[in-house]
Amino acid sequence: QKEVEQDPGPLSVPEGAIVSLNCTYSNSAFQYFMWYRQYSRKGPELLMYTYSSGNKEDGRFTAQVDKSSKYISLFIRDSQPSDSATYLCAMSSSRLTFGEGTQLTVNP
Amino acid sequence: KAGVTQTPRYLIKTRGQQVTLSCSPISGHRSVSWYQQTPGQGLQFLFEYFSETQRNKGNFPGRFSGRQFSNSRSEMNVSTLELGDSALYLCASSLVVVAGVTDEQFFGPGTRLTVL
Repeated sequence: QKEVEQDPGPLSVPEGAIVSLNCTYSNSAFQYFMWYRQYSRKGPELLMYTYSSGNKEDGRFTAQVDKSSKYISLFIRDSQPSDSATYLCAMSSSRLTFGEGTQLTVNP
Repeated sequence: KAGVTQTPRYLIKTRGQQVTLSCSPISGHRSVSWYQQTPGQGLQFLFEYFSETQRNKGNFPGRFSGRQFSNSRSEMNVSTLELGDSALYLCASSLVVVAGVTDEQFFGPGTRLTVL
């Protein structure tokens, strides 16, 4: 079983939709939780970084962490075509462990 | 502030050859990690260097090696290349490793290696 599970999608939504991306994990040692966005042929770009349970908001993005359920989510409000990318969750203890990535397409 | 830079951006090699990839971290960052990204396996951790010392290593064969210099720049080397080594190799830097826990990492654009 993988330490971090993420549905690879693909996920296709209309512009303006609310997008929900999720990851589950099994390692209780994970202390930091991140979401990265990766455009085609580019390196991952850090979107959100949190270390506590609860919600963290940054513009149209909200990261949610539930340590008791070992579950993290990323919500994108008012999605735009420019949000089309692969979204990777990542968690760290002594090193980063990534989910497989969810490919998102936002259609105009 | 300049981001993480990687050279070269693209590389084509043949089986059996060796390759060296270079990474310059964000100024002031002392931790550098390397990852291999393939469509089938996703992002897999290779190793991490902090202050010229390898602090962590992933499950890759000994053909994969790395080092870090006193200015925090890092190189990774792959010897005796195999077809399966074709991948995007990503370098990430972070400011500091806090109490053994990896801080947020910033990625470079990657080096795309093709092995023929």
